[in-house]
Amino acid sequence: QVQLVESGGGVVQPGGSLRLSCAASGFTFSSYGMHWVRQAPGKGLEWVAFIRYDGSNKYYADSVKGRFTISRDNSKNTLYLQMNSLRAEDTAVYYCANSPGELPMDYWGQGTLVTVSS
Amino acid sequence: SYVLTQPPSVSVAPGKTARITCGGNNIGSKSVHWYQQKPGQAPVLVIYYDSDRPSGIPERFSGSNSGNTATLTISRVEAGDEADYYCQVWDSSSDPHVVFGGGTKLTVL
Repeated sequence: QVQLVESGGGVVQPGGSLRLSCAASGFTFSSYGMHWVRQAPGKGLEWVAFIRYDGSNKYYADSVKGRFTISRDNSKNTLYLQMNSLRAEDTAVYYCANSPGELPMDYWGQGTLVTVSS
Repeated sequence: SYVLTQPPSVSVAPGKTARITCGGNNIGSKSVHWYQQKPGQAPVLVIYYDSDRPSGIPERFSGSNSGNTATLTISRVEAGDEADYYCQVWDSSSDPHVVFGGGTKLTVL
């Protein structure tokens, strides 16, 4: 069965950095595009970033462009999100999700909470 | 940028039909995907490519898409269908990105 397990969340001060990981199993990771999606407390879903199956293309939401970097290691079946210059408005649960192409997002992890606060 | 508009809330009695709309400029020319999210849980794909159902999703869930409106229809609504529902498209502009609707809270009366 497909499993996506996020890790790396926590509390960080404004301006700080954090790297999230998403460990994948139960499907051929190297054949799937991967997304990061976040959800601020009590709010709706906000797409963050996407990376193609081979890492050849990466796309970002305007709200994180220049601060966040999505990457993947197909040899480790792991997706990453490097988050720099964090702001209070980046506080959210961060989900990873897989996609056979660009969309749909077939399966989602359970999420990891990132809190940006002094 | 492309905007998807959903009603904040929809209420329906058990056994009736719920329709959740997702409005967007010429959305009928795009592929729409729908997700269900229950409190404290990750979203689950319930409809993809406008009207296809993933395995394990009841036939009571259906979708359509035409003109400026996509619709998720839930027939014979059950208490367990109470959740937030989000529509989604891929905006393949010069700066490709994913767009989510604001979400609709479905309340089963």
